[in-house]
Amino acid sequence: GAGVSQSPSNKVTEKGKDVELRCDPISGHTALYWYRQSLGQGLEFLIYFQGNSAPDKSGLPSDRFSAERTGGSVSTLTIQRTQQEDSAVYLCASSLGGGTLGEQYFGPGTRLTVT
Amino acid sequence: GDSVTQMEGPVTLSEEAFLTINCTYTATGYPSLFWYVQYPGEGLQLLLKATKADDKGSNKGFEATYRKETTSFHLEKGSVQVSDSAVYFCALHYGGSQGNLIFGKGTKLSVKP
Repeated sequence: GAGVSQSPSNKVTEKGKDVELRCDPISGHTALYWYRQSLGQGLEFLIYFQGNSAPDKSGLPSDRFSAERTGGSVSTLTIQRTQQEDSAVYLCASSLGGGTLGEQYFGPGTRLTVT
Repeated sequence: GDSVTQMEGPVTLSEEAFLTINCTYTATGYPSLFWYVQYPGEGLQLLLKATKADDKGSNKGFEATYRKETTSFHLEKGSVQVSDSAVYFCALHYGGSQGNLIFGKGTKLSVKP
């Protein structure tokens, strides 16, 4: 079946602009996660959704970052007023939920470059 | 806080060599432990897992045993292949409302023919 998909695959934006990143999880997966992967920081957790609710937003680095999930499916991560330190690969993952939350299926990522 | 520490890479081996990638963790509770792998140009994928102490996870010839006494989950393979070249991430997870994986920084493995 179809895996987790993300769009765009690459995004180059100017400092100060807003960007939206999209994630389509595996159908039927109730849990959805956003991570950020950068050379210096490794894999950082950003936010976790169970259904449309976000019980854990602890990883969002600043109030410029927000995310939503609608219909228990698609999620968008929005970064406002982008800064150069936001440059990274943004990964989305989904899982069935329940006892399998740790078994996460990752998308290919969106590479964000802020110039 | 909870954390995962992996041996720093890169690790370079010849084909058919024995592989060990060390992973230790610090945890306040009793997490499940995972190894994820990222092949060149591909997304992260689950390699193996263990959910409680003394469990052994295995897949594709790789093994790791959950050692509570040493807080370790070292990844091993008896005979590596060129196709095993990838970045390997150790991770822990508690489940429940704390949904996220806590990852180590990753270890890059290169296998030469």
